[in-house]
Amino acid sequence: QKEVEQNSGPLSVPEGAIASLNCTYSDRVSQSFFWYRQYSGKSPELIMSIYSNGDKEDGRFTAQLNKASQYVSLLIRDSQPSDSATYLCAVGYSSASKIIFGSGTRLSIRP
Amino acid sequence: EAGVAQSPRYKIIEKRQSVAFWCNPISGHATLYWYQQILGQGPKLLIQFQNNGVVDDSQLPKDRFSAERLKGVDSTLKIQPAKLEDSAVYLCASSLRQGSEAFFGQGTRLTVV
Repeated sequence: QKEVEQNSGPLSVPEGAIASLNCTYSDRVSQSFFWYRQYSGKSPELIMSIYSNGDKEDGRFTAQLNKASQYVSLLIRDSQPSDSATYLCAVGYSSASKIIFGSGTRLSIRP
Repeated sequence: EAGVAQSPRYKIIEKRQSVAFWCNPISGHATLYWYQQILGQGPKLLIQFQNNGVVDDSQLPKDRFSAERLKGVDSTLKIQPAKLEDSAVYLCASSLRQGSEAFFGQGTRLTVV
């Protein structure tokens, strides 16, 4: 059973629209949640972290966490072609908070 | 502030040879991670250190992989002997403490032929 699940995509969104990326996780005691962006051939880059239920906004990005339903999402407003990348959801598991990644969702912003 | 440093950037070896990767984390970061990322997949955690102690190595193939973090700063990951399926990008990341944001180095792309 996968611990962090993401739809692999590709997700195609028109420029200027809202992109919505979703992630579910299996460990109820997880305390930390992260979204990373990874361009082809590059290493993952942290874009958001969230630790408590609700929404957290940073510029065009909003992370949403619902611990009861065990899901975390990322909204990207006013999508730009430069947002085209793979988005990785990561969860801090267990008492050691090892960070486990999902397989990523490929996002494509079409002009 | 300097980021996570990794070397080499690229490595090509023949199967059954050995290889070592080096990582220098962000200064002051107590937690260090090694991940393996195969093309098209998410990073897979191989080993996690807290200072110089191993916190988790449940996914590390211990018959061929080894890692150490002497003095709680730099770390090395070794593969001996390498197999074709070890071809991947090896990513090092560090965080201030367990559970906090992790920052990645540029990675080492390993090709085993």
